Amino acid sequence: EDQVTQSPEALRLQEGESSSLNCSYTVSGLRGLFWYRQDPGKGPEFLFTLYSAGEEKEKERLKATLTKKESFLHITAPKPEDSATYLCAVDPSGSRLTFGEGTQLTVNP
Amino acid sequence: GAGVSQSPSNKVTEKGKDVELRCDPISGHTALYWYRQSLGQGLEFLIYFQGNSAPDKSGLPSDRFSAERTGGSVSTLTIQRTQQEDSAVYLCASSSHRTDGNTIYFGEGSWLTVV
Repeated sequence: EDQVTQSPEALRLQEGESSSLNCSYTVSGLRGLFWYRQDPGKGPEFLFTLYSAGEEKEKERLKATLTKKESFLHITAPKPEDSATYLCAVDPSGSRLTFGEGTQLTVNP
Repeated sequence: GAGVSQSPSNKVTEKGKDVELRCDPISGHTALYWYRQSLGQGLEFLIYFQGNSAPDKSGLPSDRFSAERTGGSVSTLTIQRTQQEDSAVYLCASSSHRTDGNTIYFGEGSWLTVV
């Protein structure tokens, strides 16, 4: 059974304090690993897709990396507006995504 | 349209009533998905449509749930005889395998409250 586990469940940072979110996965085959950001009351907003181990992608203060068993979302010098829930998902079959429970990030000014 | 559009954005219904939730995917996207998100929980897959193929209904939680997609575009998720445990956000998403890999784009959701 395909599984996605995200840690920590919640993370509080001070503005400017860099950290990383973890997404570990077990799938029969990986056709993509996805990161989304979700603000309260909103739908998930697409951030990154990673397809193969060693791949990295960056967007502003965020960088996503991928190994054969896990992905990290690195947040460098975060700002309060980075506060959100970050969701990780895998595509094992080229159709639907299997999601983790998310990491709720709070960045205090 | 520019993004996935869902309606209604909020719905309060009485237990036992039927509800219909509508999704208008991104123009040209052949794949359409319904997910459910309960308060503080992750996303639960419900159903997936791809072109003219038979839909993948494996995530529907009971026979009270059904969905259709007319003309390969707009989709309606129907919940019959609603129960309080059906209260959740119902998220629709779409993707185009031909132009954007398999990245899935979500709408803002329909918030359903069963009282």
